[in-house]
Amino acid sequence: ETGVTQTPRHLVMGMTNKKSLKCEQHLGHNAMYWYKQSAKKPLELMFVYNFKEQTENNSVPSRFSPECPNSSHLFLHLHTLQPEDSALYLCASSQETVLTEAFFGQGTRLTVV
Amino acid sequence: DQQVKQNSPSLSVQEGRISILNCDYTNSMFDYFLWYKKYPAEGPTFLISISSIKDKNEDGRFTVFLNKSAKHLSLHIVPSQPGDSAVYFCAATAVQGAQKLVFGQGTRLTINP
Repeated sequence: ETGVTQTPRHLVMGMTNKKSLKCEQHLGHNAMYWYKQSAKKPLELMFVYNFKEQTENNSVPSRFSPECPNSSHLFLHLHTLQPEDSALYLCASSQETVLTEAFFGQGTRLTVV
Repeated sequence: DQQVKQNSPSLSVQEGRISILNCDYTNSMFDYFLWYKKYPAEGPTFLISISSIKDKNEDGRFTVFLNKSAKHLSLHIVPSQPGDSAVYFCAATAVQGAQKLVFGQGTRLTINP
């Protein structure tokens, strides 16, 4: 149990579907992140939220839309994805945005068909 | 441009021997380095870290070495155990510029009995 919970664990969606990934942390951390892990590529940072405010968007396409209603919850809304968006999506949290280790959730394995 | 590189995608080591995982970085602003371990179907978990003011940090069977002039760090695991079989990610960050964690591609370590 890492303190960061992601749901669902697996998701298969069509290119015209709308779905959301959910992340919840009970560690009292101030920063939350979405990462994407594709096969044979480094973990790619997608979004950073610090104290519920988005502080970073790493040139992510608009078909990915994050939402952070409070410091414990983070969502990633998905709309009209492409098959190449299939990947493992990892949520993480940390006390601050720099110089601290991040705690990761188990990830959502997304398959776009 | 990949700022953190793990050039060995996989490594196989005999149980009881030493495992050495390597990581190179290009950004001289990085001043804090971390290693994460990832099992299948789980998110990465923090393993050990080192600040740039040190050249070695030890925690039980795990030791991280930092060579700043070569922009190189390594993780030593000794003795290696079957439960160490996982993917290991190197990550780096910098205080200046509020740099977020930048990850390498990962190295899959297999410990053979």
